[in-house]
Amino acid sequence: GAVVSQHPSRVICKSGTSVKIECRSLDFQATTMFWYRQFPKKSLMLMATSNEGSKATYEQGVEKDKFLINHASLTLSTLTVTSAHPEDSSFYICSARATSQETQYFGPGTRLLVL
Amino acid sequence: GESVGLHLPTLSVQEGDNSIINCAYSNSASDYFIWYKQESGKGPQFIIDIRSNMDKRQGQRVTVLLNKTVKHLSLQIAATQPGDSAVYFCAGKNYGGSQGNLIFGKGTKLSVKP
Repeated sequence: GAVVSQHPSRVICKSGTSVKIECRSLDFQATTMFWYRQFPKKSLMLMATSNEGSKATYEQGVEKDKFLINHASLTLSTLTVTSAHPEDSSFYICSARATSQETQYFGPGTRLLVL
Repeated sequence: GESVGLHLPTLSVQEGDNSIINCAYSNSASDYFIWYKQESGKGPQFIIDIRSNMDKRQGQRVTVLLNKTVKHLSLQIAATQPGDSAVYFCAGKNYGGSQGNLIFGKGTKLSVKP
């Protein structure tokens, strides 16, 4: 149980294009999903928190117009990196938390490379 | 401010020995902690969690100890195996956040020598 998937696992795109990353909870309903960014050999940095059916809450310093988050259902949240630039290259990881639970389960991550 | 940190960035142990990874936290109001294991290129994997009403919790080959007096928790791995090599993160519930998100420590890289 508690499986979270991400798609794609790896993506290479040209500078200026947009990239969408999907996060799905496969065997539970996730009221809340979190999006993290991780740089090499560093810890996870929370970007935003999304609740199903409402606007995402972004952490300080994270541009909401740059990183669009949609949590349209209890099993799916998407992160769209708009007008991607090389500095957006990173490992993006989502996590999901079931309703009335505290444990977060993580997806396998998406490696984004912007050329 | 609230923080969760790890004492050592790296830990090297001999296969078969026990491993102990330590973590300190600053917010005495934190009442929920999780240990995650992250292998290279993968997302963090849930290992074990503990609530503040407990001092100890055991899983398969792993034990988490919580000392609320000194705001310290540790992860003990028994009979460490090569497959245990990874970065281990402790995380504590963030009461400063409106969503109850987790604050992660910097991570300890565990290397198991055969």
